[in-house]
Amino acid sequence: AQSVSQHNHHVILSEAASLELGCNYSYGGTVNLFWYVQYPGQHLQLLLKYFSGDPLVKGIKGFEAEFIKSKFSFNLRKPSVQWSDTAEYFCAVRNGSSNTGKLIFGQGTTLQVKP
Amino acid sequence: GAVVSQHPSRVICKSGTSVKIECRSLDFQATTMFWYRQFPKQSLMLMATSNEGSKATYEQGVEKDKFLINHASLTLSTLTVTSAHPEDSSFYICSASPRVTEAFFGQGTRLTVV
Repeated sequence: AQSVSQHNHHVILSEAASLELGCNYSYGGTVNLFWYVQYPGQHLQLLLKYFSGDPLVKGIKGFEAEFIKSKFSFNLRKPSVQWSDTAEYFCAVRNGSSNTGKLIFGQGTTLQVKP
Repeated sequence: GAVVSQHPSRVICKSGTSVKIECRSLDFQATTMFWYRQFPKQSLMLMATSNEGSKATYEQGVEKDKFLINHASLTLSTLTVTSAHPEDSSFYICSASPRVTEAFFGQGTRLTVV
């Protein structure tokens, strides 16, 4: 069965610090990978996604992620965080061979950015 | 992006009563919608896949008779928590997809059973 693991449960950073959130998945076949963000009191929003092609994916708000197939990883990065990036971040995986949109989510990482 | 509306956003109900949560895709049709449950400080756990015009597909361990799902149209799926108990208190989130490669989420429903 597919599973997704996010290593960092709670990250605290100061503004302008660099961010990297880890995400590893277990599935040997074709995968589609996603990072979602959930701001306090709001619904999940898509930050970025990877389906194929360039393994370095750029998303909204200055976020990017790198797909490393050999490591089954899809880590999220941002060079300089802002206070407004305080939120919950979720990595998700979809079976790329499936005909459904079913997603498996990681445990989530709470990011707290101090002004 | 596409909009998915979930209603109500918060509900408090008495133990033993039933609660219905609606999930609507406002600007697209969705043959498939998904229902998730999120516990505090934890991930979203897929409960079931809602299929328009047919029975829902439940994940292992999810009680079909407790969590009734109806997907009567291409823009509406409902989740009914029957005979709710305090342990059913949680945050329920739906998602809908205009295509299999993209999912949009509702704002979630905070259910509190007292």
